[in-house]
Amino acid sequence: DQQVKQNSPSLSVQEGRISILNCDYTNSMFDYFLWYKKYPAEGPTFLISISSIKDKNEDGRFTVFLNKSAKHLSLHIVPSQPGDSAVYFCAASAFNNDMRFGAGTRLTVKP
Amino acid sequence: KAGVTQTPRYLIKTRGQQVTLSCSPISGHRSVSWYQQTPGQGLQFLFEYFSETQRNKGNFPGRFSGRQFSNSRSEMNVSTLELGDSALYLCASSSSDSGEWTQYFGPGTRLTVL
Repeated sequence: DQQVKQNSPSLSVQEGRISILNCDYTNSMFDYFLWYKKYPAEGPTFLISISSIKDKNEDGRFTVFLNKSAKHLSLHIVPSQPGDSAVYFCAASAFNNDMRFGAGTRLTVKP
Repeated sequence: KAGVTQTPRYLIKTRGQQVTLSCSPISGHRSVSWYQQTPGQGLQFLFEYFSETQRNKGNFPGRFSGRQFSNSRSEMNVSTLELGDSALYLCASSSSDSGEWTQYFGPGTRLTVL
């Protein structure tokens, strides 16, 4: 069962513009959400997280928004840079239990 | 299509033993990657197999090994288990030949070492 879904397999944006990556989940018990970034031939690396008690968390150019009523979170990258080109995974867990991952969205930032 | 399956889902072993975990990728996917997930270290990359060959390897000791069969199913073996090996082991399959495309994660195998 796909409890975490990233419905857009790919996204292309121009350098300097905003990148918005979306993630939907079905399990209302999820209370912790993370975004990972993955370059080719490497494992995913942690990017940013958010707890369900918040609706926004910001770290530099990266901001994650959580809409619990819609069971939706998004990652905003502003401004986008070519080095941001990678695959982004969202993940969710409930009460510090096993994490569930989305399938990823491939972001391409064009110079 | 059936998703990525991993067996067993839960495993309890004692220190010094060895363990073999199995992963069946989505039909048609030729790339299988293995990850270790722990509360303290997060998600760490173990290795990736493509067409029965190990293509990439993370920074884990030689006690961790794997292989991939001609049907793309993959196994991961951990020898001489240590307490610190207790973790959730995830495998993910990908359809991309280059291994850089989206990955589909399995539910994981929860290994507990006593």
